[in-house]
Amino acid sequence: DAKTTQPPSMDCAEGRAANLPCNHSTISGNEYVYWYRQIHSQGPQYIIHGLKNNETNEMASLIITEDRKSSTLILPHATLRDTAVYYCIVRFNYGGSQGNLIFGKGTKLSVKP
Amino acid sequence: DGGITQSPKYLFRKEGQNVTLSCEQNLNHDAMYWYRQDPGQGLRLIYYSQIVNDFQKGDIAEGYSVSREKKESFPLTVTSAQKNPTAFYLCASSIAAVNTGELFFGEGSRLTVL
Repeated sequence: DAKTTQPPSMDCAEGRAANLPCNHSTISGNEYVYWYRQIHSQGPQYIIHGLKNNETNEMASLIITEDRKSSTLILPHATLRDTAVYYCIVRFNYGGSQGNLIFGKGTKLSVKP
Repeated sequence: DGGITQSPKYLFRKEGQNVTLSCEQNLNHDAMYWYRQDPGQGLRLIYYSQIVNDFQKGDIAEGYSVSREKKESFPLTVTSAQKNPTAFYLCASSIAAVNTGELFFGEGSRLTVL
């Protein structure tokens, strides 16, 4: 079972920031938080990951709370092409079955004009 | 360009027939994975391989088989023993078994069993 809880759906206006929350209250000290997204009928795409500190790349920012029990993915200026299902995943960063990604149902983000 | 190629994109088969889905990568990745996705659901892991000539069952391996004879290739066979084979199948790869968790996915193969 997925170790994360996400809202099933969210709407965002084009050009505004999209803030996608994720709860992972049982996360252990060695587990990272990963975000992927899946545009309809395509393979998922990696967005960002982090352990403790906030992270930023060209696609998004990841804010992890100090107790690491929740995180927020921020798309600073959402476009229509950001409409997708966003998956929040926690995992160990090493091989074997414990390192496999477990995808839940994610959050369906709809960016509206 | 480097990437993962899955074929065919769409496949129709009669019930009781075995089907093999192709997955090829030219990223020089050691690890490869097969996931299944049903409508409105997340991805579930079928099989994974961390190195050539070795693979492990994932969460839903029953009714499926794989091989990893070459680093670049990880074909999945959906056998007649799989009770509900109609689904979207996704292949992925990563740099190494001990990795940062960044998986690269193919475009998927949609199998429909009539």
